[in-house]
Amino acid sequence: GQQVMQIPQYQHVQEGEDFTTYCNSSTTLSNIQWYKQRPGGHPVFLIQLVKSGEVKKQKRLTFQFGEAKKNSSLHITATQTTDVGTYFCAGRNAGNNRKLIWGLGTSLAVNP
Amino acid sequence: NAGVTQTPKFQVLKTGQSMTLQCAQDMNHNSMYWYRQDPGMGLRLIYYSASEGTTDKGEVPNGYNVSRLNKREFSLRLESAAPSQTSVYFCASNSQPGNTIYFGEGSWLTVV
Repeated sequence: GQQVMQIPQYQHVQEGEDFTTYCNSSTTLSNIQWYKQRPGGHPVFLIQLVKSGEVKKQKRLTFQFGEAKKNSSLHITATQTTDVGTYFCAGRNAGNNRKLIWGLGTSLAVNP
Repeated sequence: NAGVTQTPKFQVLKTGQSMTLQCAQDMNHNSMYWYRQDPGMGLRLIYYSASEGTTDKGEVPNGYNVSRLNKREFSLRLESAAPSQTSVYFCASNSQPGNTIYFGEGSWLTVV
């Protein structure tokens, strides 16, 4: 079945270092969404990417959607302790618009 | 505007007991979802309701039932709780499949 693989599973960085998480789908996606979940909290929507090769920025966060619409990345520049949490990608199969396929998430820890 | 509200927040059940998780959204969304989240397993879809009057199974429906009571409310029932159902449960909604998903704050369920 369709899978969205997300790597790494965990990342531990020093405050100020950069961080990247990657999502790779086994099938072409119509769009991909990114969510952040703080420890003990609930997932909160960050962004949606729709177009091939799309790049979107939110302050220190940069989101990319691959040209083939099978992969995506989230890059955080100069991490801060407020970035701590788990980042999930969720891709929607180009052939099935009912369900999102979730990656397992990347948990980010930031040392002050 | 409370968004997605789910109750209870915490519950301990004995094996074999039944309970219902309640969820309501005030965003006039058509679609509602129940997810469970377990360590290392990401978010797994239990059931969803694409619109009022319809419900469909997700990835892990066994042991659960749902009711879309009206457009606002979507409940999840455990008829005979098992320790394997110990998890964090999230209710979520969106205006239609493909759009931003809004999550409730979660319900921590322990079955002993």
